[in-house]
Amino acid sequence: EDKVVQSPLSLVVHEGDTVTLNCSYEVTNFRSLLWYKQEKKAPTFLFMLTSSGIEKKSGRLSSILDKKELFSILNITATQTGDSAVYLCAVESTGANNLFFGTGTRLTVIP
Amino acid sequence: DTAVSQTPKYLVTQMGNDKSIKCEQNLGHDTMYWYKQDSKKFLKIMFSYNNKELIINETVPNRFSPKSPDKAHLNLHINSLELGDSAVYFCASSQYGRDSVQYFGPGTRLTVT
Repeated sequence: EDKVVQSPLSLVVHEGDTVTLNCSYEVTNFRSLLWYKQEKKAPTFLFMLTSSGIEKKSGRLSSILDKKELFSILNITATQTGDSAVYLCAVESTGANNLFFGTGTRLTVIP
Repeated sequence: DTAVSQTPKYLVTQMGNDKSIKCEQNLGHDTMYWYKQDSKKFLKIMFSYNNKELIINETVPNRFSPKSPDKAHLNLHINSLELGDSAVYFCASSQYGRDSVQYFGPGTRLTVT
């Protein structure tokens, strides 16, 4: 059965800190891994990763995938209170067109 | 310019009732999905429709029935609502085969009393 495990489950940091969120997975016929940010409503897309070792970057957020060790990390530097959210990791199998989500990491950034 | 919209945003109803949630996307995507998010924030796929054909049907009760009048709409009908159906239901859409990025609607919070 497909499995996505995120850690930590929750994290509280101060503004300006750097955080690393982890996502490990077991999936048949891996196609891609996606990161989403969920504040109060809809999950919003952050990154899609398909190849190992290629960092995706957007402002203070970056992510990388390791297909050999079956994990991905999401880094946020110089955190701000607006980064407070649940960060969701999801994987997709080839041909399934279906995202299998982890339980998320709840990040709280304190001023 | 709402990409994926859902109505209603909130739905409070009693056990045993039948209700529908509507979803529309204006992204030109050909695949739409319904997810259920429980109180622990776990998002789980329920259904997806590609070109009006059901391509995924996870083990959800048959009280739940997706209906797609066209590729821009995917409605979710729920019969004989139960307490355990209380959750947030998200609609999403993507373009099948091109990339996996699914874009989500704002969610419908369903409360069954």
